[in-house]
Amino acid sequence: GAVVSQHPSWVICKSGTSVKIECRSLDFQATTMFWYRQFPKQSLMLMATSNEGSKATYEQGVEKDKFLINHASLTLSTLTVTSAHPEDSSFYICSARDPGQGAQPQHFGDGTRLSIL
Amino acid sequence: GESVGLHLPTLSVQEGDNSIINCAYSNSASDYFIWYKQESGKGPQFIIDIRSNMDKRQGQRVTVLLNKTVKHLSLQIAATQPGDSAVYFCAEKSGGSYIPTFGRGTSLIVHP
Repeated sequence: GAVVSQHPSWVICKSGTSVKIECRSLDFQATTMFWYRQFPKQSLMLMATSNEGSKATYEQGVEKDKFLINHASLTLSTLTVTSAHPEDSSFYICSARDPGQGAQPQHFGDGTRLSIL
Repeated sequence: GESVGLHLPTLSVQEGDNSIINCAYSNSASDYFIWYKQESGKGPQFIIDIRSNMDKRQGQRVTVLLNKTVKHLSLQIAATQPGDSAVYFCAEKSGGSYIPTFGRGTSLIVHP
């Protein structure tokens, strides 16, 4: 079945560092990918929709200059958390939709645990 | 509906029992519903889906029931196993959107 790979799975870094998270669709081409953020014991909150070859669409309240999204190819989207601070610590999850599966739901990566010291 | 609040509802069951996880949604225009399972430290995994023109759908050991009148969705897991322990989320979509709105989530704990 369709697989979405996310890397790294876990990162710890100092405050002020920028962190890049990669999301890859392994066996299908994804024109659209999605980035979510999840705090402990809470649901997934959509941050932005990543569109191949064009600008990402950000949800209300998400700073686009803080969370940079690049979708340069049909199999890769990246999320860069710029100048990360402790309040950015969270579980970041990407997903992608396989256009070949019609209305089938998205496939999710296994998330990236980001801890900012 | 959207997830609010900080406390995740918890359902504890004994191995072998049947589990029922409930979800209320708010958008009467939602026409497609999905149940996801999320194990600790992992992303959500698709379990089963149902369209609004149906009221029941069965999978392997799982059944989803949809009551559009009261905007209620349930996931039934038969013969629950320890490996079923996870957080379960319902999600809804409407119209041509490919983006689901996640519900609050329920933590299922299966005791051996």
